[in-house]
Amino acid sequence: NAGVTQTPKFQVLKTGQSMTLQCAQDMNHEYMSWYRQDPGMGLRLIHYSVGAGITDQGEVPNGYNVSRSTTEDFPLRLLSAAPSQTSVYFCASSYKSSGRLNEQFFGPGTRLTVL
Amino acid sequence: AQSVTQLGSHVSVSEGALVLLRCNYSSSVPPYLFWYVQYPNQGLQLLLKYTSAATLVKGINGFEAEFKKSETSFHLTKPSAHMSDAAEYFCAVSSPNSGGSNYKLTFGKGTLLTVNP
Repeated sequence: NAGVTQTPKFQVLKTGQSMTLQCAQDMNHEYMSWYRQDPGMGLRLIHYSVGAGITDQGEVPNGYNVSRSTTEDFPLRLLSAAPSQTSVYFCASSYKSSGRLNEQFFGPGTRLTVL
Repeated sequence: AQSVTQLGSHVSVSEGALVLLRCNYSSSVPPYLFWYVQYPNQGLQLLLKYTSAATLVKGINGFEAEFKKSETSFHLTKPSAHMSDAAEYFCAVSSPNSGGSNYKLTFGKGTLLTVNP
């Protein structure tokens, strides 16, 4: 199993450009999520999905869109990049047990710089 | 609502000394609890998890954590620090909302562990 994969590993954008960060998992997990990590801020949830066709906002959703057309893929779209979106982005997948979300499996991350 | 507090954003220990990283949680129902480790320029890796079985949980690399319901704590310990333990550590809590339909893992802000020779 490849686990959770993310592409690209690094990306530099200019202000106003758009792009899509790709995320895929091969563990048949229902739950997938996107986080951003900034120094001193920990991990902040951007968007999440509890299954194909179902997505919802996390705590910092502005400027980002997601869709979940398949169980495996959960792309994150930046509509019009801003310098404030310079960050490291992590995708994660998980499963439910006993009514709770169990451990999350993380991808290696995408380091994004917006100039 | 669930929340996690990690006491101390930076902990420094000497090689061979005890490692103690503190985590307190808030949850209205019995939670699942997790510790993750992040080495520089890498993703997060699960160290150990508590899912309502034994209260003392053993993880990888010699780490363990004890779930104490009365103290709402899940502190991470290792008897003897090694240079390779230098990393950032995150505590996380998982519990369903009252409606049972909102599934999230809530992370603490992290503790950076430095190990001095």
